Amino acid sequence: DAGITQSPRHKVTETGTPVTLRCHQTENHRYMYWYRQDPGHGLRLIHYSYGVKDTDKGEVSDGYSVSRSKTEDFLLTLESATSSQTSVYFCAISHEITSGGEAFFGQGTRLTVV
Amino acid sequence: SQQGEEDPQALSIQEGENATMNCSYKTSINNLQWYRQNSGRGLVHLILIRSNEREKHSGRLRVTLDTSKKSSSLLITASRAADTASYFCATPSGGGADGLTFGKGTHLIIQP
Repeated sequence: DAGITQSPRHKVTETGTPVTLRCHQTENHRYMYWYRQDPGHGLRLIHYSYGVKDTDKGEVSDGYSVSRSKTEDFLLTLESATSSQTSVYFCAISHEITSGGEAFFGQGTRLTVV
Repeated sequence: SQQGEEDPQALSIQEGENATMNCSYKTSINNLQWYRQNSGRGLVHLILIRSNEREKHSGRLRVTLDTSKKSSSLLITASRAADTASYFCATPSGGGADGLTFGKGTHLIIQP
């Protein structure tokens, strides 16, 4: 899996609680991404990072924040979890996509908000 | 918003047959990628085709790209049970955002 580790792999949390998902890479890729995957929607980009402390919003960023203090770690935080955030979350890494970089994905984190 | 849309949404064929999946996209691109996802796993990159290419091969995979029609197809020849998976096309998100925009996928089932 190209040296990408997501943790935790499964989590159940209560509505209103903060949740942090971690993505760790050992490949020294510049770009890191968080996607969510839901039935009927495919994968949608939440946030991405193009370097340490450099992040930007994706298509579905409301209710999520990210941080990247080191090249190898990209954290996704649900500030106050809601049931609509129940999903499978994937981290990915790549070189520059527009230059033909391919994305490598982690195994996913299944998050259930009850 | 979805950039790529795969067709069909689901496909069931017999082992040994060829499987063809199609993808349409909306805006100009410089490359298009195909990914496979096995149940419960992350996505795996299969093949990338650049906008100046019309066809590309990798093993049993053949990808075509028609930029005038904004469409691509993925052909898997001599299918095997292990090819059972969901297949996604993806294009650069553009608009100042990096990353890939994925279609909703084609779920392929290979019957033994």
